[in-house]
Amino acid sequence: GDSVTQMEGPVTLSEEAFLTINCTYTATGYPSLFWYVQYPGEGLQLLLKATKADDKGSNKGFEATYRKETTSFHLEKGSVQVSDSAVYFCALTRGNTPLVFGKGTRLSVIA
Amino acid sequence: ETGVTQSPTHLIKTRGQQVTLRCSSQSGHNTVSWYQQALGQGPQFIFQYYREEENGRGNFPPRFSGLQFPNYSSELNVNALELDDSALYLCASSGTGGNNSPLHFGNGTRLTVT
Repeated sequence: GDSVTQMEGPVTLSEEAFLTINCTYTATGYPSLFWYVQYPGEGLQLLLKATKADDKGSNKGFEATYRKETTSFHLEKGSVQVSDSAVYFCALTRGNTPLVFGKGTRLSVIA
Repeated sequence: ETGVTQSPTHLIKTRGQQVTLRCSSQSGHNTVSWYQQALGQGPQFIFQYYREEENGRGNFPPRFSGLQFPNYSSELNVNALELDDSALYLCASSGTGGNNSPLHFGNGTRLTVT
């Protein structure tokens, strides 16, 4: 079945550091890929998405590129802030299937 | 625009009891999905309702059941609670674009079973 694998956390960075959170997936066909963010005590918010190969999703300084050849959708940000501290989830759907999430990666940014 | 609201925010139940969780979908959304998020895990799909009918279900036993009402609000019912049912239960609503429509999540109900 479909699955998403994310790098293990927690990830701890200093403010203004570069962020990469790795995500790879297994799915048949051409899934749509998503990054969701969960701040403490809140539900999930859609951060960005990409619906076809080589698409780049971006939002709030975060970006991720849909790489079909490596089945990856790594999340990056050039300069993180304390306010980016949260749990990040990579997810996929094949259009007629519900979202399948990874286990999440906790990011802590220290000033 | 009113977002997805869930109630209650926290709940403590005893093993064997029954629980009902409630969700009001975002205005204009006719599809509601429920997810279970165990501690340290990603959300797992329970089921989805569209126009008051269940139209998709994950790998959860029949003691997990749901309803959707004409105003598109929804309930999740869990019977015969087990300790492993302790989790954050998330409701998400979406529009008419199928599973590619963005999901809008509520803040969840934290259920603790003792």
